[in-house]
This record gives sequence, C-alpha cells and structure tokens, in this order.
Amino acid sequence: GAGVSQSPSNKVTEKGKDVELRCDPISGHTALYWYRQSLGQGLEFLIYFQGNSAPDKSGLPSDRFSAERTGGSVSTLTIQRTQQEDSAVYLCASSLFPGSMYEQYFGPGTRLTVT
Amino acid sequence: AQTVTQSQPEMSVQEAETVTLSCTYDTSENNYYLFWYKQPPSRQMILVIRQEAYKQQNATENRFSVNFQKAAKSFSLKISDSQLGDTAMYFCAPPGGGADGLTFGKGTHLIIQP
Repeated sequence: GAGVSQSPSNKVTEKGKDVELRCDPISGHTALYWYRQSLGQGLEFLIYFQGNSAPDKSGLPSDRFSAERTGGSVSTLTIQRTQQEDSAVYLCASSLFPGSMYEQYFGPGTRLTVT
Repeated sequence: AQTVTQSQPEMSVQEAETVTLSCTYDTSENNYYLFWYKQPPSRQMILVIRQEAYKQQNATENRFSVNFQKAAKSFSLKISDSQLGDTAMYFCAPPGGGADGLTFGKGTHLIIQP
C-alpha cells in the first residue's frame, strides 16, 4: 500500500514569508507526528495528533509554528514569518495508534531552506 | 524529557565486517519499546529493529541484532556481514514518554567501505 507522503519535497523561501508543509499519512493510521531534523542533528519532536486533536503542542519551537489535521488524515505544518533558523528537513510519521509501542512510518521529508 | 546518547558520531568499516553502534538512554518507564532507525541518503527513515523492554531475549532481524541491557539502559545495534547498502545514519529511539513522539539520539553515520 501507499506509504506516508509529504509535499513539497523541497521548498526555498525568503525570510519573513509563510510556508505550509503537507503530510499525507498511511490510510487508517490514527496517530501522526511531526519532527524537525536540522543539519547534523537528530530528530526533534514537534507535535503529534491523535485523530484531529493535538494533545500536546509544547514541542513547537515558537508561536510562529502551527499545525492542524483535518478528517483524521492530511496534516499541514505552517510556519509564519520564516527565519533562517527554520531551515531544516521536516519529517512526518504516522502509526496505527499513538504510543511508543507502535512503529512509526516516516515520509521522505520536506527540506526547507530560508534565504 | 528523555535523553539519548549515541557516542559515535561516525564509524567506518570494511564490507563484510561486523560493527556495533552504541546507545544509552534514560527513562523512568518500566515497560517500553526501543527502536533503531536507519536513514540513508534518500532521507527515508526506515525501522531496522525493535526491542520490547520486558523481553529478556535480544531482538534479531536477519543481519541485525541488539544487545539490550535494561539495568544499564544500554541498547546497542550489531550489524553482521555489513553491506554497502548499510551506509546510512542510524538513530536510536527509546520512548519519549506516553504517546509523545520518540526521542531520537543524534545519530551515528555509518560508512561501509568496499
């Protein structure tokens, strides 16, 4: 079956502009996760969704970051007024249910470059 | 927050050799799962192997096996008969607690030389 897809695969934007990153999880997966991977670093957890709700948003780096999920499926991560430090690869993952015992399936990521 | 330490930023071995990647972590949980993920240059994160903390037997998946020492909170990955396709970043991922996302180490860049 289809895996997790993300779009765009690459995005170059000017400082101060807003960007939207999209994640399409595996059909039927109730949990969806967003991570950020900066150059030479590990993955930083940003936010997760159980269905359409996000129980914990404390991992978002600043109030310029927001995320939503509609219909229990597609999710968008929005970054407003982008800064150069936002440059990173943004990875999305989904799992059948929330909880660390369930394998997370990752998308190919969106590489964001803020100039 | 949980902490994860991968003490080897980069390792290089010859093809067909055996290599072990180390990982230590900190958690207050008793029953949990740990994962090793592989990220090749394509950026696609792929699950390599999973260990259930309540199981004493170390997980094995073909050429990949783990040495899990619960008391020491150590979770190393052994790759036997390494292949060129094993070249990738390898991330150790113990639980982040509850339903939060996983906590990933900074990774080990493994290079398999022909």
